[in-house]
Amino acid sequence: KAGVTQTPRYLIKTRGQQVTLSCSPISGHRSVSWYQQTPGQGLQFLFEYFSETQRNKGNFPGRFSGRQFSNSRSEMNVSTLELGDSALYLCASSLDGTGLYTEAFFGQGTRLTVV
Amino acid sequence: GENVEQHPSTLSVQEGDSAVIKCTYSDSASNYFPWYKQELGKGPQLIIDIRSNVGEKKDQRIAVTLNKTAKHFSLHITETQPEDSAVYFCAALYKGSYIPTFGRGTSLIVHP
Repeated sequence: KAGVTQTPRYLIKTRGQQVTLSCSPISGHRSVSWYQQTPGQGLQFLFEYFSETQRNKGNFPGRFSGRQFSNSRSEMNVSTLELGDSALYLCASSLDGTGLYTEAFFGQGTRLTVV
Repeated sequence: GENVEQHPSTLSVQEGDSAVIKCTYSDSASNYFPWYKQELGKGPQLIIDIRSNVGEKKDQRIAVTLNKTAKHFSLHITETQPEDSAVYFCAALYKGSYIPTFGRGTSLIVHP
Protein backbone atom coordinates (compact mmCIF):
# COMPACT_ATOMS: atom_id res chain seq x y z
CA LYS A 1 0.00 0.00 0.00
CA ALA A 2 1.56 3.28 -1.08
CA GLY A 3 2.06 5.94 1.56
CA VAL A 4 1.41 9.65 1.43
CA THR A 5 3.33 11.21 -1.44
CA GLN A 6 4.40 14.82 -1.43
CA THR A 7 5.95 16.58 -4.39
CA PRO A 8 8.32 18.14 -4.86
CA ARG A 9 10.65 17.12 -2.02
CA TYR A 10 12.72 20.28 -2.26
CA LEU A 11 11.97 23.72 -3.60
CA ILE A 12 13.83 27.01 -3.74
CA LYS A 13 11.86 30.17 -4.44
CA THR A 14 12.48 33.91 -4.41
CA ARG A 15 10.68 36.37 -2.16
CA GLY A 16 7.46 37.57 -3.73
CA GLN A 17 6.94 34.47 -5.83
CA GLN A 18 4.20 31.95 -5.28
CA VAL A 19 4.48 28.21 -4.86
CA THR A 20 2.21 25.18 -5.13
CA LEU A 21 2.85 21.97 -3.22
CA SER A 22 1.12 18.70 -3.91
CA CYS A 23 -0.01 15.85 -1.69
CA SER A 24 -1.40 12.48 -2.74
CA PRO A 25 -3.04 10.72 0.21
CA ILE A 26 -3.20 7.02 0.86
CA SER A 27 -5.77 5.38 -1.37
CA GLY A 28 -9.18 5.53 0.29
CA HIS A 29 -8.27 8.35 2.67
CA ARG A 30 -10.55 11.35 2.32
CA SER A 31 -9.01 13.78 4.79
CA VAL A 32 -5.83 15.69 4.09
CA SER A 33 -4.23 18.06 6.57
CA TRP A 34 -1.31 20.40 6.03
CA TYR A 35 1.32 21.46 8.58
CA GLN A 36 4.25 23.84 8.65
CA GLN A 37 7.34 22.73 10.57
CA THR A 38 10.08 25.19 11.51
CA PRO A 39 12.82 25.09 14.16
CA GLY A 40 11.42 28.24 15.75
CA GLN A 41 7.69 27.50 15.81
CA GLY A 42 7.65 23.72 15.67
CA LEU A 43 4.75 21.92 14.03
CA GLN A 44 1.81 24.15 13.24
CA PHE A 45 -1.53 23.21 11.72
CA LEU A 46 -2.41 25.00 8.49
CA PHE A 47 -5.71 23.52 7.32
CA GLU A 48 -7.63 20.32 6.75
CA TYR A 49 -9.71 19.25 3.77
CA PHE A 50 -12.34 16.58 3.60
CA SER A 51 -14.36 15.72 0.51
CA GLU A 52 -13.08 18.79 -1.32
CA THR A 53 -14.13 21.17 1.48
CA GLN A 54 -11.92 23.00 3.93
CA ARG A 55 -13.20 21.95 7.32
CA ASN A 56 -10.61 23.38 9.67
CA LYS A 57 -8.11 26.18 9.45
CA GLY A 58 -5.18 27.19 11.62
CA ASN A 59 -3.91 30.69 12.33
CA PHE A 60 -2.09 31.49 9.14
CA PRO A 61 -2.51 34.51 6.85
CA GLY A 62 -4.62 34.37 3.73
CA ARG A 63 -1.49 33.96 1.61
CA PHE A 64 -1.71 30.30 2.54
CA SER A 65 -4.48 28.49 0.75
CA GLY A 66 -5.30 25.03 -0.38
CA ARG A 67 -7.73 22.86 -2.21
CA GLN A 68 -8.68 19.25 -2.56
CA PHE A 69 -9.72 17.46 -5.69
CA SER A 70 -12.34 14.79 -6.18
CA ASN A 71 -9.67 12.06 -6.01
CA SER A 72 -8.65 13.45 -2.56
CA ARG A 73 -5.33 14.77 -3.82
CA SER A 74 -4.59 18.14 -2.31
CA GLU A 75 -2.56 21.17 -3.20
CA MET A 76 -1.30 23.96 -1.01
CA ASN A 77 -0.47 27.38 -2.38
CA VAL A 78 1.54 30.15 -0.80
CA SER A 79 1.48 33.51 -2.53
CA THR A 80 3.84 36.46 -2.14
CA LEU A 81 6.48 34.34 -0.43
CA GLU A 82 8.38 35.74 2.54
CA LEU A 83 11.69 34.60 3.98
CA GLY A 84 9.82 33.37 7.05
CA ASP A 85 7.86 30.91 4.91
CA SER A 86 10.97 28.74 4.64
CA ALA A 87 9.96 25.51 6.30
CA LEU A 88 9.19 21.85 5.93
CA TYR A 89 5.59 21.51 4.78
CA LEU A 90 3.98 18.24 5.77
CA CYS A 91 0.71 16.75 4.73
CA ALA A 92 -1.10 13.94 6.45
CA SER A 93 -4.01 11.81 5.35
CA SER A 94 -6.50 9.93 7.43
CA LEU A 95 -9.33 7.61 6.68
CA ASP A 96 -12.53 9.17 7.84
CA GLY A 97 -11.85 12.81 8.20
CA THR A 98 -11.74 13.25 11.93
CA GLY A 99 -8.23 14.67 11.78
CA LEU A 100 -5.95 13.21 14.40
CA TYR A 101 -8.74 11.24 15.96
CA THR A 102 -7.98 8.49 13.55
CA GLU A 103 -4.39 7.74 12.73
CA ALA A 104 -2.94 10.36 10.44
CA PHE A 105 -0.20 9.20 8.10
CA PHE A 106 2.35 11.82 7.22
CA GLY A 107 4.27 12.27 4.00
CA GLN A 108 8.00 13.03 3.99
CA GLY A 109 7.34 16.70 3.43
CA THR A 110 8.39 19.39 1.00
CA ARG A 111 11.36 21.47 2.08
CA LEU A 112 10.72 25.03 0.90
CA THR A 113 13.52 27.56 0.98
CA VAL A 114 12.73 31.21 0.24
CA VAL A 115 15.71 33.35 -0.75
CA GLY B 1 -6.26 28.68 22.58
CA GLU B 2 -4.44 25.56 23.60
CA ASN B 3 -0.79 25.71 24.62
CA VAL B 4 1.40 22.61 24.93
CA GLU B 5 4.74 22.70 26.71
CA GLN B 6 7.15 19.80 26.16
CA HIS B 7 10.27 18.95 28.17
CA PRO B 8 13.09 18.28 27.85
CA SER B 9 14.09 19.59 24.44
CA THR B 10 16.99 17.14 24.32
CA LEU B 11 17.39 13.83 26.12
CA SER B 12 20.50 11.71 25.97
CA VAL B 13 20.46 8.18 27.42
CA GLN B 14 22.50 4.99 27.30
CA GLU B 15 21.11 1.98 25.51
CA GLY B 16 18.93 -0.01 27.89
CA ASP B 17 18.01 2.99 30.05
CA SER B 18 14.50 4.40 30.29
CA ALA B 19 13.47 7.75 28.80
CA VAL B 20 10.63 9.99 29.94
CA ILE B 21 9.25 12.98 28.05
CA LYS B 22 6.66 15.24 29.65
CA CYS B 23 4.04 17.54 28.22
CA THR B 24 1.63 19.92 29.87
CA TYR B 25 -1.44 21.44 28.27
CA SER B 26 -3.54 24.44 29.14
CA ASP B 27 -7.05 23.73 27.81
CA SER B 28 -9.02 21.44 30.09
CA ALA B 29 -11.31 20.65 27.15
CA SER B 30 -8.52 18.74 25.39
CA ASN B 31 -9.32 15.06 25.42
CA TYR B 32 -7.01 13.36 22.94
CA PHE B 33 -3.23 13.18 23.25
CA PRO B 34 -1.14 11.51 20.54
CA TRP B 35 2.62 11.06 20.48
CA TYR B 36 4.61 11.15 17.25
CA LYS B 37 8.12 9.99 16.37
CA GLN B 38 9.96 11.77 13.60
CA GLU B 39 13.13 10.26 12.19
CA LEU B 40 15.55 12.28 10.13
CA GLY B 41 14.18 13.02 6.67
CA LYS B 42 10.80 11.50 7.42
CA GLY B 43 7.39 12.71 8.44
CA PRO B 44 6.05 12.15 11.96
CA GLN B 45 4.65 8.73 12.76
CA LEU B 46 2.03 8.07 15.41
CA ILE B 47 3.49 5.74 18.05
CA ILE B 48 0.87 5.84 20.79
CA ASP B 49 -2.12 7.89 21.86
CA ILE B 50 -4.35 8.27 24.88
CA ARG B 51 -7.81 9.64 25.44
CA SER B 52 -8.94 11.51 28.51
CA ASN B 53 -11.03 8.66 29.87
CA VAL B 54 -7.88 6.54 30.30
CA GLY B 55 -5.02 7.10 32.75
CA GLU B 56 -2.37 4.89 31.19
CA LYS B 57 -1.77 2.97 28.00
CA LYS B 58 1.05 0.58 27.10
CA ASP B 59 2.36 -0.85 23.88
CA GLN B 60 5.41 -3.08 24.36
CA ARG B 61 8.27 -0.78 25.46
CA ILE B 62 6.23 2.40 25.15
CA ALA B 63 3.71 3.76 27.61
CA VAL B 64 1.81 7.00 28.03
CA THR B 65 0.30 8.32 31.24
CA LEU B 66 -2.23 11.08 31.62
CA ASN B 67 -3.04 13.21 34.66
CA LYS B 68 -6.12 15.26 33.81
CA THR B 69 -6.16 17.11 37.10
CA ALA B 70 -2.63 18.38 36.66
CA LYS B 71 -3.08 18.65 32.88
CA HIS B 72 0.03 16.76 31.96
CA PHE B 73 0.87 13.59 30.09
CA SER B 74 4.11 11.69 29.66
CA LEU B 75 5.76 9.27 27.27
CA HIS B 76 7.82 6.47 28.80
CA ILE B 77 10.21 4.36 26.75
CA THR B 78 11.85 1.43 28.52
CA GLU B 79 14.93 -0.54 27.44
CA THR B 80 15.86 2.11 24.90
CA GLN B 81 17.61 1.08 21.71
CA PRO B 82 19.67 3.14 19.24
CA GLU B 83 16.79 2.96 16.76
CA ASP B 84 14.66 4.88 19.25
CA SER B 85 16.81 7.94 18.48
CA ALA B 86 14.48 10.50 16.88
CA VAL B 87 12.47 13.62 17.65
CA TYR B 88 9.31 12.96 19.63
CA PHE B 89 6.30 15.27 19.57
CA CYS B 90 3.31 15.36 21.83
CA ALA B 91 0.02 16.94 20.80
CA ALA B 92 -3.31 17.83 22.34
CA LEU B 93 -6.68 18.46 20.79
CA TYR B 94 -10.35 18.35 21.63
CA LYS B 95 -13.21 17.04 19.59
CA GLY B 96 -14.80 20.40 18.98
CA SER B 97 -11.76 21.81 17.28
CA TYR B 98 -9.96 19.00 15.43
CA ILE B 99 -6.97 21.32 15.35
CA PRO B 100 -3.95 19.77 17.03
CA THR B 101 -1.51 21.79 19.10
CA PHE B 102 1.96 20.27 19.14
CA GLY B 103 4.74 20.47 21.67
CA ARG B 104 8.10 21.77 20.45
CA GLY B 105 9.60 18.30 20.30
CA THR B 106 12.23 16.31 22.20
CA SER B 107 15.34 15.07 20.49
CA LEU B 108 16.08 11.66 22.00
CA ILE B 109 19.59 10.30 21.55
CA VAL B 110 20.28 6.72 22.57
CA HIS B 111 23.97 5.92 22.84
CA PRO B 112 25.02 2.31 22.10
